[in-house]
Order: sequence, then structure tokens, then C-alpha cells
Amino acid sequence: GDSVTQMEGPVTLSEEAFLTINCTYTATGYPSLFWYVQYPGEGLQLLLKATKADDKGSNKGFEATYRKETTSFHLEKGSVQVSDSAVYFCALQHSGNTPLVFGKGTRLSVIA
Amino acid sequence: GAVVSQHPSRVICKSGTSVKIECRSLDFQATTMFWYRQFPKQSLMLMATSNEGSKATYEQGVEKDKFLINHASLTLSTLTVTSAHPEDSSFYICSAPRGVGQETQYFGPGTRLLVL
Repeated sequence: GDSVTQMEGPVTLSEEAFLTINCTYTATGYPSLFWYVQYPGEGLQLLLKATKADDKGSNKGFEATYRKETTSFHLEKGSVQVSDSAVYFCALQHSGNTPLVFGKGTRLSVIA
Repeated sequence: GAVVSQHPSRVICKSGTSVKIECRSLDFQATTMFWYRQFPKQSLMLMATSNEGSKATYEQGVEKDKFLINHASLTLSTLTVTSAHPEDSSFYICSAPRGVGQETQYFGPGTRLLVL
């Protein structure tokens, strides 16, 4: 079945450091790929998405590119802030109105 | 603002009691909603798909008699944990698809259940 694998956390970075959170997936066909963020005490929020190969999703300085050849969707940010501290989930979805398959999440802590 | 709400946000109950969790789409209709369960430091695991006007579809290993789902209207789905036990303590999250192709999932803020 479908699966999503994320790098293990927690990840601790200093403010303004470069962030990469790796995500790879196993799925049939051509799913859409997502990154969701969960801030402390809050629900999941969509951070960015990409619906086809070579698409780049971006939002709030975060980027991820849909790489079909490596089945990856790594999340990057050039300069993290303390406010980026949260849990980040990579996920895939085959089509609208279907559930998402999530990775285990990666906790990011950014220290000043 | 939030487009999917859940109530309650937190509930503590005694073992053996039943707990109802509501999931509402606030300004759109959702014929389908999804219920997930999240264990501490773990990912979200799909429990069931809630279908308006018909029976829910449960994932393998999820007891349908224990986790009752009712999708009585286009904006409300409820999850009832019957005869709750401590091992049912978890974070329960619902989501609803929205958009032209229903390609975007909106998640509720979650309900933390603690069974004593």
C-alpha cells in the first residue's frame, strides 16, 4: 500500500539556519503531495502542495519540489525563525475526496 | 479563519462511559469527512470515512461497534467512542475536503480524549 517516510526528529536549529526535512513516498500512479504543519496546541494546517511531477509548492518561505524520479518531496527553508517551531507532516493523496496518507511527522525546534 | 470545527477540544471521562465528538464544516457542505487518530509522537492514522446519508467505511482493524460514526447532515459528522477504555485515549482529528475537485483537505483542531 501507499506510504510516506519522513526523516526522524526532533530537529533543532538555530535561528536563520537552513532547513531540510526529507520526505519520500511509495505509491501507485501519480499522487498529489503535501506538507502540513501543526503548531503547538493547534490543528493541522496546509503549508504547501504539489500536484504533479516537477511542480514546486511554496509558502511562507518554505519550498518543496515534486520529484517523481526519486519519489521525494523534501521540505526546505533558507532561514528558519523561532516561530517555525512545529511538527511538520508530509502526506500524499491520490485524488480529491480521498483521505491522506501521512508520514510520522518531524518535530522542528528553532532556538534564538 | 477555521473552516472545520471540532467539539469538544478536550474531554476526560471515566472508563466505560461513551464520548461523542462533533466535526462541523463551517461554511461549506461536506458529503464526506474523514476521522483520524493520532497517538503521541506518531502520525495520523485514518480510522474511517464518514459518508453523508450512508454508512461509514472503516479501515481495517478499527472496530465499527466501538467507534460509531454518524453523518446526519452535510455539515456535521459525529464520532462516538463507546464504552471507552484507557487505551482509547488519543487525539482524534477530522477533516473535510473542499474545493472544485475537493482536492484540499481542511482539518479540525482535534479532540484530545483521556480515559481514566
